[in-house]
Amino acid sequence: DQQVKQNSPSLSVQEGRISILNCDYTNSMFDYFLWYKKYPAEGPTFLISISSIKDKNEDGRFTVFLNKSAKHLSLHIVPSQPGDSAVYFCAAGLTGGGNKLTFGTGTQLKVEL
Amino acid sequence: GAVVSQHPSRVICKSGTSVKIECRSLDFQATTMFWYRQFPKKSLMLMATSNEGSKATYEQGVEKDKFLINHASLTLSTLTVTSAHPEDSSFYICSAPSPGIGNSPLHFGNGTRLTVT
Repeated sequence: DQQVKQNSPSLSVQEGRISILNCDYTNSMFDYFLWYKKYPAEGPTFLISISSIKDKNEDGRFTVFLNKSAKHLSLHIVPSQPGDSAVYFCAAGLTGGGNKLTFGTGTQLKVEL
Repeated sequence: GAVVSQHPSRVICKSGTSVKIECRSLDFQATTMFWYRQFPKKSLMLMATSNEGSKATYEQGVEKDKFLINHASLTLSTLTVTSAHPEDSSFYICSAPSPGIGNSPLHFGNGTRLTVT
């Protein structure tokens, strides 16, 4: 039972344009969400998070949007840079859940010159 | 920022042998660490929660006698894959939550690529 889903396994974007990565979840109890970036043969690196009490959080080129009614979140990267090419995982957690996270299947982003 | 170190980064072993993977929090204490496993083109699957001073908590379907976890100190957790078989070949990653209260993001080690021949 995949509680966190990333339906697009890959995404290709031109440098300078916006990258939009999507994530859906089924468990309405999740109350905080995170995005991680992963390069091959490395562990994931934390990018940005959002609490369920917010619908938007911004940090530099990265913005995460949360639509609780649709159980959907997205990560916007603008402008996209070649160094952004990586696999992006969304993750969800429960406050009081002991920091345990449930991860999506990942989206491979390729930013082309 | 919080740094998690994992060792070794890559290991090849023969079937039937055991392999130990270490996970250290370098500049902070972690009473809890998490062990994940990633199959090719798949999500990160939580295997177990390592608890300092008590037994690890395993996720459903994970064999605790096969994947031994020891949280030896506030900065070290180890995962030992016992009697390894080729199907245990995978990418194993440990993580620890940032110090502080609330929903701290997890910080991950760089993972260990295990190949069992």
